[in-house]
Amino acid sequence: TQTVSQSDAHVTVFEGDSVELRCNYSYGGSIYLSWYIQHHGHGLQFLLKYYSGNPVVQGVNGFEAEFSKSDSSFHLRKASVHWSDSAVYFCAVRMSNYNVLYFGSGTKLTVEP
Amino acid sequence: EAAVTQSPRNKVAVTGGKVTLSCNQTNNHNNMYWYRQDTGHGLRLIHYSYGAGSTEKGDIPDGYKASRPSQENFSLILELATPSQTSVYFCASGDAKGDEQYFGPGTRLTVL
Repeated sequence: TQTVSQSDAHVTVFEGDSVELRCNYSYGGSIYLSWYIQHHGHGLQFLLKYYSGNPVVQGVNGFEAEFSKSDSSFHLRKASVHWSDSAVYFCAVRMSNYNVLYFGSGTKLTVEP
Repeated sequence: EAAVTQSPRNKVAVTGGKVTLSCNQTNNHNNMYWYRQDTGHGLRLIHYSYGAGSTEKGDIPDGYKASRPSQENFSLILELATPSQTSVYFCASGDAKGDEQYFGPGTRLTVL
């Protein structure tokens, strides 16, 4: 079995701050990782994914994530947040032979003015 | 133009009643998924499909059936609704590998 852990249920920062949202996984085989964003009252939207190669992947709106096999992590970062980044962020993993995602419990990001 | 639509957006049902949630996608994706979202649980996969005529059980299929009559449509059926099925339900379509999924706006279901 595999698990996806997002250790922070809530993160609050000020506009212009940098932020890192944490994601750790436990699975011994080949996996693929992604991040999604959910604004209040809406469905999830794809942000970025990692398959292989450069461990730092770029997504939309200035988001990036870094894969670390040694730490079993795929943390999401943004250098300077905007109030519109306030949302819930979900990390997801997919095992190599399956077309289904397993989501973490989400981190609610609040950006204060 | 929304590529994944769900209907109804809100539904109140009675215990023991039958509920059908509908999903339509215009992405021409083979894969479609039904999730429920509850506070503290994130998204949990109920059923999914690899194409018209196929349905597969996800992590929490008990009490739910699915139907994929065409590439575009994927329904979730609750034959005998229970209050524990009160939740927000999301449909998604996905690319061949399933990493990029496109979600509908959700259906809020309340079972009284």
